[in-house]
Amino acid sequence: ILNVEQSPQSLHVQEGDSTNFTCSFPSSNFYALHWYRWETAKSPEALFVMTLNGDEKKKGRISATLNTKEGYSYLYIKGSQPEDSATYLCAFRNSGGYQKVTFGTGTKLQVIP
Amino acid sequence: DVKVTQSSRYLVKRTGEKVFLECVQDMDHENMFWYRQDPGLGLRLIYFSYDVKMKEKGDIPEGYSVSREKKERFSLILESASTNQTSMYLCASSQRLAGAGETQYFGPGTRLLVL
Repeated sequence: ILNVEQSPQSLHVQEGDSTNFTCSFPSSNFYALHWYRWETAKSPEALFVMTLNGDEKKKGRISATLNTKEGYSYLYIKGSQPEDSATYLCAFRNSGGYQKVTFGTGTKLQVIP
Repeated sequence: DVKVTQSSRYLVKRTGEKVFLECVQDMDHENMFWYRQDPGLGLRLIYFSYDVKMKEKGDIPEGYSVSREKKERFSLILESASTNQTSMYLCASSQRLAGAGETQYFGPGTRLLVL
């Protein structure tokens, strides 16, 4: 079983604050790194997929970076809003075997109005 | 819009019962997955399938089996439900895309309680 870790486990921020969290994954046999957002009572939804070292992706106030050599990705949220409250999951896929990923345990973000 | 549906949102079963969880996707995706989600443990892969009638064990297959007779449908079977199988079960599907990192699309989940 591959080791994919996310930190912190949970986070409370004030509305308007910027925040970031980390996903760590094995640095060998990298294929892709996914970020998903999972809001309460909804299904996880894809945010980004990153495949190249140095990749940066952005969607509105949310952005992500990728370092495959050292095995980490950061997710940034600028000017957090209450609607950003969710659990953010990363998922790592290695280059061997079938098309499956290993999920981290997630970072639960609560934005306080 | 990709749609993944699961047969039940909530299910209560008794220990020893055989339980079927059904998942259907409407986007002609090759890959389908079953996960369970437990507090503090994240999403753990039970089984996946990359083609009709094909199945592969995930990280926690014990106590489960699967069936994929048609491309759009992937069933998870608990042969004899036990209390430690009380969990949230999520189905997902993805297209097989070489070199792109396939995004998974999730169903709404089934919350199963085994008494």
